[in-house]
Amino acid sequence: GQQVMQIPQYQHVQEGEDFTTYCNSSTTLSNIQWYKQRPGGHPVFLIQLVKSGEVKKQKRLTFQFGEAKKNSSLHITATQTTDVGTYFCAGHGGANNLFFGTGTRLTVIP
Amino acid sequence: SAVISQKPSRDICQRGTSLTIQCQVDSQVTMMFWYRQQPGQSLTLIATANQGSEATYESGFVIDKFPISRPNLTFSTLTVSNMSPEDSSIYLCSALRVNTEAFFGQGTRLTVV
Repeated sequence: GQQVMQIPQYQHVQEGEDFTTYCNSSTTLSNIQWYKQRPGGHPVFLIQLVKSGEVKKQKRLTFQFGEAKKNSSLHITATQTTDVGTYFCAGHGGANNLFFGTGTRLTVIP
Repeated sequence: SAVISQKPSRDICQRGTSLTIQCQVDSQVTMMFWYRQQPGQSLTLIATANQGSEATYESGFVIDKFPISRPNLTFSTLTVSNMSPEDSSIYLCSALRVNTEAFFGQGTRLTVV
């Protein structure tokens, strides 16, 4: 079955430091989505990447989709305490169902 | 975007009983899904709720344990049957239109004692 792995599983950073999480799929993805889940909350959509090699930015967040469409990354520049949460990548399966990565839990130390 | 109302938000249940979780979307969506999430873990897809037909279950999940209904495009239920403490988890419903982002309900935190 489809597997989507993320590394690292946990990341602690000092406020102001950068943060990156990596997402790897066992199969080629039609697109990749990223979600953020705050502690005690539900996942909230951040962005979708569709094209091979695509790069998108949202303020301090930079998202990349690999050339082979099997991996992706999320980079946060100069983290803030509001960035705390778990970041999930997700890819669509053949039946349009959505499989989530294992997630990276980010802690930002003030 | 879509707004999803999920209830109950939490419940404490006795083992051997069943709980039905409801999910109402404020607009028509193509797909609805049910996930389970252990605290601090990723989301595990239970099944795709199909309108007017039997749900499509992922490996490890069966209809007898997790019966799902979806009578129309905006409503679905998940029942957790014959519960045991191992079923304690957060259950999330999700909806999306084709090739768009997923929206989630607030989740149901289930504790089985």
